[in-house]
Amino acid sequence: NAGVTQTPKFQVLKTGQSMTLQCAQDMNHNSMYWYRQDPGMGLRLIYYSASEGTTDKGEVPNGYNVSRLNKREFSLRLESAAPSQTSVYFCASSGTREAFFGQGTRLTVV
Amino acid sequence: QKEVEQNSGPLSVPEGAIASLNCTYSDRGSQSFFWYRQYSGKSPELIMSIYSNGDKEDGRFTAQLNKASQYVSLLIRDSQPSDSATYLCAVKASGTYKYIFGTGTRLKVLA
Repeated sequence: NAGVTQTPKFQVLKTGQSMTLQCAQDMNHNSMYWYRQDPGMGLRLIYYSASEGTTDKGEVPNGYNVSRLNKREFSLRLESAAPSQTSVYFCASSGTREAFFGQGTRLTVV
Repeated sequence: QKEVEQNSGPLSVPEGAIASLNCTYSDRGSQSFFWYRQYSGKSPELIMSIYSNGDKEDGRFTAQLNKASQYVSLLIRDSQPSDSATYLCAVKASGTYKYIFGTGTRLKVLA
């Protein structure tokens, strides 16, 4: 019963470094999402993938790229990290109704 | 901009009382509504979903939906200290695959 699995759980980057956050789901869901959560800001959608082969921008896509590798996996890439990208990142997946979340990645950019 | 609004709280209730959490949304065409619970440092956990007007009960939780007033609420009966968390209201936007979240209400249940 893994559900949605994110790696890594914690990461510290220096400004300008790049990294990829990985997400995999085993629920055979079509849709996957990347959110960031900042104090007082709630969950903000970065990118989503309605189905395998498609990706779309959410509310705050600048500075990020995504890849829907296959039905199970959806990765988020920071090409040149900035301190403003310090946040907690959540991956989620959904079928036709509810969305389910991974355990999150706490990213600090110094 | 489609929005979901919640009072940030904290909402403090004594143990055993009913906690009432409220949410309003702006997209009149929304069809799906959700409540998530998030403990500090953890990920959101789905606790209730509701799709039609009226009440839906699951154990100590009752979700209420009024589409005409664009209002969703969550009642927690017999509140326990373990219910202390932030509760997020989410709406699935009409015609899209996107879930829009409110900023959450922090609930504190006092022993």
